[in-house]
Amino acid sequence: DSGVTQTPKHLITATGQRVTLRCSPRSGDLSVYWYQQSLDQGLQFLIQYYNGEERAKGNILERFSAQQFPDLHSELNLSSLELGDSALYFCASSRRGSGGSTVYNEQFFGPGTRLTVL
Amino acid sequence: GENVEQHPSTLSVQEGDSAVIKCTYSDSASNYFPWYKQELGKGPQLIIDIRSNVGEKKDQRIAVTLNKTAKHFSLHITETQPEDSAVYFCAASRTLSYNTDKLIFGTGTRLQVFP
Repeated sequence: DSGVTQTPKHLITATGQRVTLRCSPRSGDLSVYWYQQSLDQGLQFLIQYYNGEERAKGNILERFSAQQFPDLHSELNLSSLELGDSALYFCASSRRGSGGSTVYNEQFFGPGTRLTVL
Repeated sequence: GENVEQHPSTLSVQEGDSAVIKCTYSDSASNYFPWYKQELGKGPQLIIDIRSNVGEKKDQRIAVTLNKTAKHFSLHITETQPEDSAVYFCAASRTLSYNTDKLIFGTGTRLQVFP
């Protein structure tokens, strides 16, 4: 058990709908990362938050958005869902310091949310 | 752009044999290289990592080597056991002095260990 929790475990919805995935990082971790895992694209970085602020964006669609709340949990919002959005969505967390830190921080992954768009 | 190539995509070994998975990265600024093990229905689990100032690191039956000049790093598993069967991912990342330490993943290697 990595200490990162994600809910729900499974999500089945229809095209055009909107869903919210939730992630709680390990205690003390300030950074949250979202990754998408699909059969054809592998594990792809979507977005990163550090202590409530967006730090970096990867291959994230405009239909997707995320935020990190004051208690450090994060939510990933997926809207206008398409069949191709079906995938596993993972959240990871790390104790990453600020940009000036020289400490490398491991990323620990949650169990994921399996999204199926029908 | 940032890219990590991983080989082989599948690997079958007999229990007790060794397994080697190789990765090549493109971003010269990468200096942190973790390896993850993913079992069916679970999230990736960090099993070992290596920093750019180290050439080799070992933890019991697993070891990782890094050749920064060639931009290659490898995972070595000795005395394989059936419970080592899983998908293994390599990844590369930049130091925290950059704005983000996002992980760039390889495409994965499915390791099967036969009893």
